[in-house]
Order: sequence, then C-alpha cells, then structure tokens
Amino acid sequence: KAGVTQTPRYLIKTRGQQVTLSCSPISGHRSVSWYQQTPGQGLQFLFEYFSETQRNKGNFPGRFSGRQFSNSRSEMNVSTLELGDSALYLCASSLALELGEQYFGPGTRLTVT
Amino acid sequence: TQLLEQSPQFLSIQEGENLTVYCNSSSVFSSLQWYRQEPGEGPVLLVTVVTGGEVKKLKRLTFQFGDARKDSSLHITAAQPGDTGLYLCAGAGQNFVFGPGTRLSVLP
Repeated sequence: KAGVTQTPRYLIKTRGQQVTLSCSPISGHRSVSWYQQTPGQGLQFLFEYFSETQRNKGNFPGRFSGRQFSNSRSEMNVSTLELGDSALYLCASSLALELGEQYFGPGTRLTVT
Repeated sequence: TQLLEQSPQFLSIQEGENLTVYCNSSSVFSSLQWYRQEPGEGPVLLVTVVTGGEVKKLKRLTFQFGDARKDSSLHITAAQPGDTGLYLCAGAGQNFVFGPGTRLSVLP
C-alpha cells in the first residue's frame, strides 16, 4: 500500500506571496491533518479534514486554509507569506483522527525569504 | 486545553546503554501514540497504547501506558546508533496533541 505523498518537497518563496501544498493520503483513509513543525514550537496542529469537511482547526491565523477533494486528496494554502511561516509542513492521514494512529508524509520544507 | 510534556528534552548516550523517556499530561487520553522522526522526514508511528496499564514491546523498545491514561514511557534496551532520532508522543482525546519530543543521540 502506497504511503502518504506530499508535493513539493522543497519550496522557496518571498514574503507576501502565497503557496499551495498538496497531500495524497493512504488509499482508504478519509482523514487528512496538517501540521507545522518548527524548531522552536515543535509540531503544531493546523487543521483536519474528513470527507471534504474541516472538522478540527488549530490556533493559526486565517491566512492558513485548506480543502479536501472527493478522492481525499488535500491541499493547504498559505497567503501573504511571512518570514515566520518558514517551517516543515507535514500531512498525516488516518482512518479517523479520533482513533489516534496517523501516518505522515515526508513533509514540504517551506522557506520564506 | 490538553498538553503533553516530555522528558528529558535531550539525551545523549553510548551504544549499548539503556534509557527511558517520559510523556506526561494532566489530561486523560483515549489513546496515546509514540513516533520517531529523523531529520527532514515525517514522524513514523511506532506504537499505539489504548488501555490503562498496557505494556507493548517492539523488539528492544518497551512502551507503557499509565493506569490513569495520562502518561506513558518508552524504554529502550541496549540502544544502537540507529535509534537516534526525535521521539514524539501524541495523545488522542478532545483534540490530537503532540508533545515537544525527546531528541535522542546514540553514539557508537
């Protein structure tokens, strides 16, 4: 069974630009969660989508948004990029978030200059 | 808000030594997971514990869930350089939360 894939793996953007990251979950998994990981803050939960609906949301500004398609693939968008948005963005898929077991993709390393 | 704390934050040991890392919270979790993450990669799920007092073994790794389902420990026997990485605990409850991690370095 193929794992979670994320594209692109690396991205360099400048302040003020916007970015879209993509995640394809494990086949059969309907829950996709997004996390931001930085050395100072660790892994922080952004949001979770289940069957195309956002079910949970972390404490991030509205510049961070996402969506999920009918095939469970998900995208995350960050608008008006700031230097502090530089991070590893991780996508995780699961049968359902409340069950606990999540399977992570390799992440997208975003650098904002 | 549910929070998870992990200790120690950093650990550097010699190959062959034993070690224990801890994951603690004041909240009850329906399940708790342990992950290991290597630089530049996503976390990899090691184990899920669900029942209070549960003990699971994965080769040289032993995981325990506290009786009250608020804490957990990971014990590694005879650590090897391949065990080096960031160990994260995560809890499923009202929300899904990650601890800050324990960064383990095993020196040959």
